[in-house]
Amino acid sequence: KAGVTQTPRYLIKTRGQQVTLSCSPISGHRSVSWYQQTPGQGLQFLFEYFSETQRNKGNFPGRFSGRQFSNSRSEMNVSTLELGDSALYLCASSPRPFAEAGYEQYFGPGTRLTVT
Amino acid sequence: AQSVSQHNHHVILSEAASLELGCNYSYGGTVNLFWYVQYPGQHLQLLLKYFSGDPLVKGIKGFEAEFIKSKFSFNLRKPSVQWSDTAEYFCAAVFTGGGNKLTFGTGTQLKVEL
Repeated sequence: KAGVTQTPRYLIKTRGQQVTLSCSPISGHRSVSWYQQTPGQGLQFLFEYFSETQRNKGNFPGRFSGRQFSNSRSEMNVSTLELGDSALYLCASSPRPFAEAGYEQYFGPGTRLTVT
Repeated sequence: AQSVSQHNHHVILSEAASLELGCNYSYGGTVNLFWYVQYPGQHLQLLLKYFSGDPLVKGIKGFEAEFIKSKFSFNLRKPSVQWSDTAEYFCAAVFTGGGNKLTFGTGTQLKVEL
């Protein structure tokens, strides 16, 4: 079974631009969570989607948004990029909502975003 | 506020040395605890988890962790490390009543030297 895939793997953007990252969960998994990983802050939860609905949200500004499609693929969007948004963005999938799946989730390789 | 802290940011050990990585959490209620590992160039993966019951939990690759409620701690241990254990280790928690989301510590970079 293929794992979680994320595209693109690397991205360079300029301050003020917007960016869209994509995540395809493991086949049959319907929940997707997003995390931001930075050297200073570590891993921080962004949001979780299940059945095209946002179930949970972390403490990030409204510039960070996401969505999920009927095939469970998910995208996250960051508008008006800031230098501090440079990070590794990880996606994780679960067969059911994270809490209902016994907190089981599988992580993808991440998208490395650099904002210049 | 609910939080997870890892005080050792960088640890360097020789092969066969024993390992203990500290993890503390800040929360007065029920907590579910995890250790994740990120090997160089690989995905983040689960090492072990604790929900309830026996406070000593065993995970993959010879790792174990002990939950000590009175100390709000969940330290990771391995009796004898190998070069292949070089990785970044993250402690994480789900705080009941805290929104069913993972809260991570800042990670500990472990380097095992031959």
